[in-house]
Amino acid sequence: GENVEQHPSTLSVQEGDSAVIKCTYSDSASNYFPWYKQELGKGPQLIIDIRSNVGEKKDQRIAVTLNKTAKHFSLHITETQPEDSAVYFCAASMPPYNFNKFYFGSGTKLNVKP
Amino acid sequence: DSGVTQTPKHLITATGQRVTLRCSPRSGDLSVYWYQQSLDQGLQFLIQYYNGEERAKGNILERFSAQQFPDLHSELNLSSLELGDSALYFCASSPDGGSTDTQYFGPGTRLTVL
Repeated sequence: GENVEQHPSTLSVQEGDSAVIKCTYSDSASNYFPWYKQELGKGPQLIIDIRSNVGEKKDQRIAVTLNKTAKHFSLHITETQPEDSAVYFCAASMPPYNFNKFYFGSGTKLNVKP
Repeated sequence: DSGVTQTPKHLITATGQRVTLRCSPRSGDLSVYWYQQSLDQGLQFLIQYYNGEERAKGNILERFSAQQFPDLHSELNLSSLELGDSALYFCASSPDGGSTDTQYFGPGTRLTVL
């Protein structure tokens, strides 16, 4: 099966700085890569996703890049704010197309210091 | 708010007991997923249903079972509970369950086994 590794496990940045979280996956057949943000006591919330036919996607302060050759994808958060503090999970999903089994990374705890 | 609802929010029970967790998907979503989140295991996929039928299975123990009903809500049954089953259990839903389908997570049920 697929194996997703996520780094770093913890990340501390100053408010206004950028944060980058990286994930690698093992199976080249993986074709969908979502990122989730989980705040304390809440369920994971989708913040951005990318499909394998796209190299980069941006949504305001958040961007995701995908390098299919190297089998890695990254989350970039610019101008970080204290409310960005949370645990972030990457995931990968692969065919067959008739089911949707996410393989999650181990999570990155982001702390944005005011 | 993702539109996925889960009940109960908290559940405290004893070893050897049986519990049922309930999930209502977002309006219009046909596929439901169950995940277990524990401190040392991260987010683990348990099982996926699509329109009442089991579609994919992950690391679900034989003591656990699930079903999706005609109105599309789902229940996860956990029996012969052990201390190690204490975890957060999340339900997610998606429109059609394909491998590039976005999954939306509910707020979770926190299970404590004493």
